Amino acid sequence: QKEVEQNSGPLSVPEGAIASLNCTYSDRGSQSFFWYRQYSGKSPELIMSIYSNGDKEDGRFTAQLNKASQYVSLLIRDSQPSDSATYLCAVNEFSGGYNKLIFGAGTRLAVHP
Amino acid sequence: NAGVTQTPKFQVLKTGQSMTLQCAQDMNHNSMYWYRQDPGMGLRLIYYSASEGTTDKGEVPNGYNVSRLNKREFSLRLESAAPSQTSVYFCASRRQDTYEQYFGPGTRLTVT
Repeated sequence: QKEVEQNSGPLSVPEGAIASLNCTYSDRGSQSFFWYRQYSGKSPELIMSIYSNGDKEDGRFTAQLNKASQYVSLLIRDSQPSDSATYLCAVNEFSGGYNKLIFGAGTRLAVHP
Repeated sequence: NAGVTQTPKFQVLKTGQSMTLQCAQDMNHNSMYWYRQDPGMGLRLIYYSASEGTTDKGEVPNGYNVSRLNKREFSLRLESAAPSQTSVYFCASRRQDTYEQYFGPGTRLTVT
């Protein structure tokens, strides 16, 4: 099975700073990449999708993809205490005739006032 | 739109009991998935269904069965619950064009 690796954290940043979350993946053929946010006791919520090399911005979130390095990252600008959550990186894999998401174990982010 | 719904939200079972977790989606998605999430293990795929009438095993299928009742509903059954099945179970459905998956609120299951 293909792998998705994330630093488990916790990543602690002060309010207003930029939080940088990183993810590497093993399947060089992967084409679709996702970031989910999961608050404690809640379900994963999709916050970003990225399919092409480069940056994709949505509000305070920027996803960055480098397929050559098999690396995807999420930047959160102007971090707020409400951003404190676990962030899951997911990569689409096509195997056995089906599309599946392979998830990393997640990085816990703590934004302190 | 409710998105993906799951019932029940919480359940406690004794070892050996059976139960069915229900999942429904109203987004007209073809593909649906069942995951379990355990501390330090991340999300692991139990079973998936690419379309109505088809199901296939994921990473951790032992001890589970599934039914894709129709396009909307995908249920997960534990025939004889074991303490190792204590976990949080999530159902998800997938957009056909973008591969994005959307999750239900989850079921917290404890097996004693």
